Amino acid sequence: VQLVESGGGVVQPGRSLRLSCAASDSTFSTYAMHWARQTPGRGLEWVAVISYDGSKKDYADSVKGRFTISRDNSKNTMYLQISSLRTEDTAVYYCAKVRSTFWVNDAFDIWGQGTMVTVSP
Amino acid sequence: DIEMTQSPSTLSASVGDTVTITCRASQNINSWLAWYQQKAGKAPNLLIYKASTLQSGVPSRFSGSQSGTEFTLTISSLQPDDFATYYCQQYNSYSQTFGQGTKLEIK
Repeated sequence: VQLVESGGGVVQPGRSLRLSCAASDSTFSTYAMHWARQTPGRGLEWVAVISYDGSKKDYADSVKGRFTISRDNSKNTMYLQISSLRTEDTAVYYCAKVRSTFWVNDAFDIWGQGTMVTVSP
Repeated sequence: DIEMTQSPSTLSASVGDTVTITCRASQNINSWLAWYQQKAGKAPNLLIYKASTLQSGVPSRFSGSQSGTEFTLTISSLQPDDFATYYCQQYNSYSQTFGQGTKLEIK
């Protein structure tokens, strides 16, 4: 499986953005997926998780209420809807697949290349 | 949230050396710990999962161990390709956390 993120860009504070993570094959539907982000100052930060069927979701406290994770298994794609953007959301956003089918908590064996989100007035 | 304290933040070593990097969890995470290698401009790459299991395709000079809530990544006989930044990650709960990273530099 390969993962390709898209949707990053430069956006003003308070605006919204939707990131996408497209998987290369249909085994996507059997794996939980995560979003993580990285900044030089804060390092790697876990952002959100969604179970293989979309029934379970969880978020980091820093993004709860502003970020929404979702997936469309018919399109082999996961999304991260980001609203009320803040300057501190500036980061490279990665999607990642877990190692084991149907597990939610697992190591990340495949990562996308990352998409940069810059929040600037 | 579970905090992961990783040390050292920077490590200088030479080709052929053996180095260790440590992560300490703020509470019990069983063995749900992974280690990643990251090179500049690239995504992290999984090296070890479940504290000590080597990911397929990773050279055997990488190894992981655990003592309670303290976890160690050991790299034996350093190769030029090993100079990178290393992160630990706990995945004991939905809310996962990463260590702050260790930059391994050439001495």
